[in-house]
Amino acid sequence: GAVVSQHPSRVICKSGTSVKIECRSLDFQATTMFWYRQFPKKSLMLMATSNEGSKATYEQGVEKDKFLINHASLTLSTLTVTSAHPEDSSFYICSARNSQGSNYGYTFGSGTRLTVV
Amino acid sequence: AQSVTQPDIHITVSEGASLELRCNYSYGATPYLFWYVQSPGQGLQLLLKYFSGDTLVQGIKGFEAEFKRSQSSFNLRKPSVHWSDAAEYFCAVGTLTGNQFYFGTGTSLTVIP
Repeated sequence: GAVVSQHPSRVICKSGTSVKIECRSLDFQATTMFWYRQFPKKSLMLMATSNEGSKATYEQGVEKDKFLINHASLTLSTLTVTSAHPEDSSFYICSARNSQGSNYGYTFGSGTRLTVV
Repeated sequence: AQSVTQPDIHITVSEGASLELRCNYSYGATPYLFWYVQSPGQGLQLLLKYFSGDTLVQGIKGFEAEFKRSQSSFNLRKPSVHWSDAAEYFCAVGTLTGNQFYFGTGTSLTVIP
C-alpha cells in the first residue's frame, strides 16, 4: 500500500534557527502533498498545499515566509520552519495524495514533533 | 461551505462493548469520506474510506462505516471494542479532483476495563 515517510520524527532546536522536515512518498508519485499542524488535543490544521513544480498554496493566516515549502520532485516535499520560536513548537504532519486507481486517498506521515527552546 | 462535524469530543466505552462514532459532513459535490485513527504522538492511520458503491464500508481492525446520503453522515462502528482501540479518531472529506481535504475536530476514545 501507499507509504509516506516523514523525517525527523522529533527535533529540538534553539530559538532563531531553522528546521527542515521531509515528507517522502515511498511507493507512489504524489503531485500534491499537504502540510498540517496539530496543537495538543486539537484537530489538524491545514497549513499549505504543496504542488510539485510550482509554488505552494498557503491557508489564510499561515506565514509563507516563515514556513517555506518546496516540492521539487514527485516524491519529496519539504517544510522549513525559519527563525523558529517557541510558539512554533507543535506536531507537524504531512500527507500525500495518491490519485492512482484503487489506492486513491490521502496517506499520512508519522509526524514530526518540533520543540523550540 | 464544506465542513465536517464530529459531535462527540470524547467517548468512554467499556471493553467489549459496541462503539459508534458520529460524523456529519456538508459538501457540495460527491464526497469522498475517510476515517483515520491517531495514537498519541503518532501520525494518522487510515481505517477505511468510501468513494462509491456499497454504502457499508469495511475497514481494518474490525471497523466499519455506513454512508447515509440522506443524513449526510458517515458514522464509524465497531461491534466489540478492545483496549487497544483507545485513540483519537478523525473523520475527513476530500475530493477526487480538487486539492481540498477537511478534517473533523476528532473524537477521543477511552476504553475502560
